[in-house]
Amino acid sequence: DTGVSQNPRHKITKRGQNVTFRCDPISEHNRLYWYRQTLGQGPEFLTYFQNEAQLEKSRLLSDRFSAERPKGSFSTLEIQRTEQGDSAMYLCASSDRDRTLNEQFFGPGTRLTVL
Amino acid sequence: KNQVEQSPQSLIILEGKNCTLQCNYTVSPFSNLRWYKQDTGRGPVSLTIMTFSENTKSNGRYTATLDADTKQSSLHITASQLSDSASYICVVRSGGYNKLIFGAGTRLAVHP
Repeated sequence: DTGVSQNPRHKITKRGQNVTFRCDPISEHNRLYWYRQTLGQGPEFLTYFQNEAQLEKSRLLSDRFSAERPKGSFSTLEIQRTEQGDSAMYLCASSDRDRTLNEQFFGPGTRLTVL
Repeated sequence: KNQVEQSPQSLIILEGKNCTLQCNYTVSPFSNLRWYKQDTGRGPVSLTIMTFSENTKSNGRYTATLDADTKQSSLHITASQLSDSASYICVVRSGGYNKLIFGAGTRLAVHP
């Protein structure tokens, strides 16, 4: 399967701990996006990479959040000093800028629960 | 403020029936509108994408319409199946931005 993959699928952590999620995009896609989705809501944009460059960050991305895409392939999203309000589904998506309409393909998400 | 609003919030229908989901948006500039299906605990999967000039687009039993003048879209599901039970999310891409503006979704439950 050459779709977007995310690991882990589920993460339970205690408040104050750091967590890191990984996203592997579709191999030829140069654009990668992170979103956060809370229960009953649509996803909210967090950040966007084109190759290894982080081109846009949402105000939702506080200083406890950091995302990287060091070689322009996989990406990591780290949350430091987690809070209960960080509990959500974290979705990754990728797209190919040469594809018509820049369609984004989503991964299955990582569900974070902060106790 | 760019917003996408969907109605109803949730819907229950019987298997085999048709249904229509609504989406109103106030996004400018407008680039395209997408409908996604999201199964519980999974990432969204694209159903249709429409640009400003497209009024209707079908994908199997799913038919999306777009009225760019009134800034409304609908998703019609024909002959519903149990597997159609999911959240349906309307998403608008604003021109010049590499991000999507999501509605909160309509949760559809198809009962036998």
